[in-house]
Amino acid sequence: GENVEQHPSTLSVQEGDSAVIKCTYSDSASNYFPWYKQELGKRPQLIIDIRSNVGEKKDQRIAVTLNKTAKHFSLHITETQPEDSAVYFCAGGSDKIIFGKGTRLHILP
Amino acid sequence: GAGVSQSPSNKVTEKGKDVELRCDPISGHTALYWYRQSLGQGLEFLIYFQGNSAPDKSGLPSDRFSAERTGGSVSTLTIQRTQQEDSAVYLCASSLGTGVNQPQHFGDGTRLSIL
Repeated sequence: GENVEQHPSTLSVQEGDSAVIKCTYSDSASNYFPWYKQELGKRPQLIIDIRSNVGEKKDQRIAVTLNKTAKHFSLHITETQPEDSAVYFCAGGSDKIIFGKGTRLHILP
Repeated sequence: GAGVSQSPSNKVTEKGKDVELRCDPISGHTALYWYRQSLGQGLEFLIYFQGNSAPDKSGLPSDRFSAERTGGSVSTLTIQRTQQEDSAVYLCASSLGTGVNQPQHFGDGTRLSIL
């Protein structure tokens, strides 16, 4: 069945450094890959998404890259700030959206 | 309201009781998902409604779980004969369009506690 794998499960980076979270997917028919941020006790919120007709998308300090051949996509956060601390989920799928298990990102002062 | 609304926000019940969780999607959104999130865990897919099509129930963990969506809008997730392992936050999300290529908008969830 469809599967989305996400790594790492936990990531700690120094404030100001970059963070990278990686995901792989199994369904080659997938063509939409959103990323969600979930702060403690709150709902997941979309932060960026990418469709299969592009290889990269950027929004200020956040960027996502997609490699359809290898079936993997990554989230890049540059110049990290304390408010970036949260759990991040990748997702993908063709007939329904499946989420990765999440990455808990800690920004260290 | 403008967003996805879920009720109740919290539900505490005794083991063995039935519970109903409600989701009001954003007006005009044809797709509706239910997810379960245990403490500190990821989003476990439960069920997906898309327009008038038959729902994808492949994520329901047992026959104690069922969901319906009346009139293509409000959805109810029902858990019969609740067990302690059913304790979790149940999240609903809706999205626009007929495919899976649209962003999902989540509600605040229902925190279910089974005593």
